[in-house]
Amino acid sequence: DAGVIQSPRHEVTEMGQEVTLRCKPISGHNSLFWYRQTMMRGLELLIYFNNNVPIDDSGMPEDRFSAKMPNASFSTLKIQPSEPRDSAVYFCASNGLAETNTGELFFGEGSRLTVL
Amino acid sequence: AQSVSQHNHHVILSEAASLELGCNYSYGGTVNLFWYVQYPGQHLQLLLKYFSGDPLVKGIKGFEAEFIKSKFSFNLRKPSVQWSDTAEYFCAVNAGYSSASKIIFGSGTRLSIRP
Repeated sequence: DAGVIQSPRHEVTEMGQEVTLRCKPISGHNSLFWYRQTMMRGLELLIYFNNNVPIDDSGMPEDRFSAKMPNASFSTLKIQPSEPRDSAVYFCASNGLAETNTGELFFGEGSRLTVL
Repeated sequence: AQSVSQHNHHVILSEAASLELGCNYSYGGTVNLFWYVQYPGQHLQLLLKYFSGDPLVKGIKGFEAEFIKSKFSFNLRKPSVQWSDTAEYFCAVNAGYSSASKIIFGSGTRLSIRP
């Protein structure tokens, strides 16, 4: 079975540019999470969706960050405009098969973002 | 609000040494507890988990963890580490049984093993 798929794996961009990160959760999972990992702050939860609806976006750093989940198989995290301090690895994770929810998270490979 | 504390930020051990990584959480209700491992350059993957029953949980690669409810702790142990255990280890708590519950991670403990 395919795991959580993220793209791009690496992105280097210049300050002020728009960045869009993409995630395809595991088929059948009904919750999707976006995390950011940095050396300074560790692993931070940015936002999570349940059944395509944003449930908690209190971790989103500021208005420059937005996330959408237009359907059960696709989510985006957008940064506009990007800043150097946004440089991090962004992980997408999913969980929660309707029948066998365990609370375990399945992570994607991550998108490493560098903003110059 | 629930939180997870990992007090050891960086642990350095020699091969064959025993390992114990601390994890404490703050939440008064029922919790699900996890340890995830992140090998260099890779994504997080589940090491072991506790939902209920036997408080001593065994995971992959010889790791185990013990849930002590009275101490709000879920420490990770391995009797004899190997160089390949070099990684970052994250403790996580899910307060509640719904997948919609927010899963909170600790700040992580970097484990370096000297060959």
